Formats: sequence, structure tokens, C-alpha cells
Amino acid sequence: KQEVTQIPAALSVPEGENLVLNCSFTDSAIYNLQWFRQDPGKGLTSLLLIQSSQREQTSGRLNASLDKSSGRSTLYIAASQPGDSATYLCAVPHSGAGSYQLTFGKGTKLSVIP
Amino acid sequence: GAGVSQTPSNKVTEKGKYVELRCDPISGHTALYWYRQSLGQGPEFLIYFQGTGAADDSGLPNDRFFAVRPEGSVSTLKIQRTERGDSAVYLCASSPAGGTYGGELFFGEGSRLTVL
Repeated sequence: KQEVTQIPAALSVPEGENLVLNCSFTDSAIYNLQWFRQDPGKGLTSLLLIQSSQREQTSGRLNASLDKSSGRSTLYIAASQPGDSATYLCAVPHSGAGSYQLTFGKGTKLSVIP
Repeated sequence: GAGVSQTPSNKVTEKGKYVELRCDPISGHTALYWYRQSLGQGPEFLIYFQGTGAADDSGLPNDRFFAVRPEGSVSTLKIQRTERGDSAVYLCASSPAGGTYGGELFFGEGSRLTVL
């Protein structure tokens, strides 16, 4: 059974800092990995999708890396802003054939202090 | 539509009642998913539709939960004889294609269910 762990559970940084969020998964036989953002009381917004053949994916100030063999992904946020405050979740697909369900971590709650 | 739409956004009901939650996916997306999120947890998979059929319902917790997607677009999640433990946010997502390789998922805002 796939297990996804995100460390730290919460993070508070001053505005302008660069930061890294971590995601680890137990079963490395994944097709892709997706990072989401969730604002309080809201649904999930997709940030980045990394295919298993890729090592990195970038969107604006966000950069996600994937190391399948070690079961790890990181989300790098450059020059953090108060608007980045949210919970960030990573998710990987179930490795069973014929199925597509995501297993999520519990998320990292980020607070960017002005 | 422009995004995944879920109704109602909030639902308060009494224990034992029947509840329906609706999801309208992004136009043209063949794959539709239901997830459930409890406070402080990541979403947990419930059921996956490819077109009109439930391709994987292994996440449904018991037979009180049922979902349909009769025309391959809108889906309804149905919960019978609700229990207090059913209280959670029910999230719907869609993607352009499904299957083993999946693709990027787009989520709705969720329906918050509270069972008193």
C-alpha cells in the first residue's frame, strides 16, 4: 500500500525567503506525481504535474523535482509572498493496473509572514 | 463549464437522513473522481468513473455510499442513513483522460457535509 509523507507539517517563513517542501512515498513504481495547493475551506488547485520520466517541472516561482528511485519529491518556492500562504499537498497514483486513484500526503501548512 | 462545479457547497443533515451531492465536471473530461477529506487529512479516494461506468469503487467505505454518472458527465454521490462519521468535505475532480496513466486532476471547491 502506497504511503505518502510530507515534512514539515507546518512552516512559517518571512516574506521573500526561498523555501522547500518535502514529499516522500513508499512505492516508487509511480507514473507521475502532482503537487496541489489548498486554501482554507477551498478545493485543491493543481500546481505542477511531473511525469515519471521527468526530473523537474517549473511554473513561475515554483519548481518541483522528482527522484523516483529514492521515493522523494520537493517543491521549491522562490521569493515567497504572503499570498503563498496555504496548505500544499503532494499526491501519487495508485500503482495497480487499470486503476487511477491518488494517494495524498497530509500536507504542509505554509504561512508567509509580511 | 470553466471548472469543476459542486453543489451544495454546504449541507447540514441529521443522522439517518439521505444526502445527494452533485458534481459537474469540466466539459469534455471523460474521467471523474470522488474523494473525501477529513479535517487535517489529505483527501482519500472514493470512486473513479471512466465515462458512465464506475471503473474503480474500491474506496467507498460501505454500501451506504453509492455514486452514479448516467450520461457520462454530471455525477451524483449518494449517502444513505448518514452517520456522524460521514461528516467531511467531499471533493470531486475530473481529468481529460483516465486509465492507468491518468493525468492532471482538476478539483472542485468541495461539498462540506455535517451530520448532526
